[in-house]
Amino acid sequence: AQRVTQPEKLLSVFKGAPVELKCNYSYSGSPELFWYVQYSRQRLQLLLRHISRESIKGFTADLNKGETSFHLKKPFAQEEDSAMYYCALSGRGDKLIFGTGTRLQVFP
Amino acid sequence: DTGVSQDPRHKITKRGQNVTFRCDPISEHNRLYWYRQTLGQGPEFLTYFQNEAQLEKSRLLSDRFSAERPKGSFSTLEIQRTEQGDSAMYLCASSLGVGTDTQYFGPGTRLTVL
Repeated sequence: AQRVTQPEKLLSVFKGAPVELKCNYSYSGSPELFWYVQYSRQRLQLLLRHISRESIKGFTADLNKGETSFHLKKPFAQEEDSAMYYCALSGRGDKLIFGTGTRLQVFP
Repeated sequence: DTGVSQDPRHKITKRGQNVTFRCDPISEHNRLYWYRQTLGQGPEFLTYFQNEAQLEKSRLLSDRFSAERPKGSFSTLEIQRTEQGDSAMYLCASSLGVGTDTQYFGPGTRLTVL
């Protein structure tokens, strides 16, 4: 079965603390993995994808095929990082399968 | 604004009524997707189009749901005989349609069925 699991509904940290949002997936094949973010009152937007291997807004994510994970990390959280984060996979280059999301709260 | 647009943004209807939503994708985007999001969940895939062809429909899309993209540009999603369980945010996304390219999402249409 194709599935994306985000075990944490809410993650709260203080500004400057490291952040790790967990994502595990189940897929029989080689999917492409994404992180989407939704800031307050804004639409869902792509944050990063594993094939680009970029760092966006200080966030990175490494695909670990052995552990079937794609955790999102940032060494020093900022207040403007507060948002809803969704991990997603695409198996055949079309539809996205999303996790249930993790709300990140960064306190000053 | 050259992003994906959706209309209406909010719709309140009574159970049993029909509703229709519209999505205008980014110009020249060949693929158009519909997703549904309920409270506490991530978006769930409903259907997608490559130009005017509907290539895949989720099992979530019951017979009461129909989607069209007649000229390969805008798309409509119709729900007939609405039920309270249809209350959700309906999201549209578009992409160029080349490989696994980025999907750009619209603001969504929030449907409330009373």
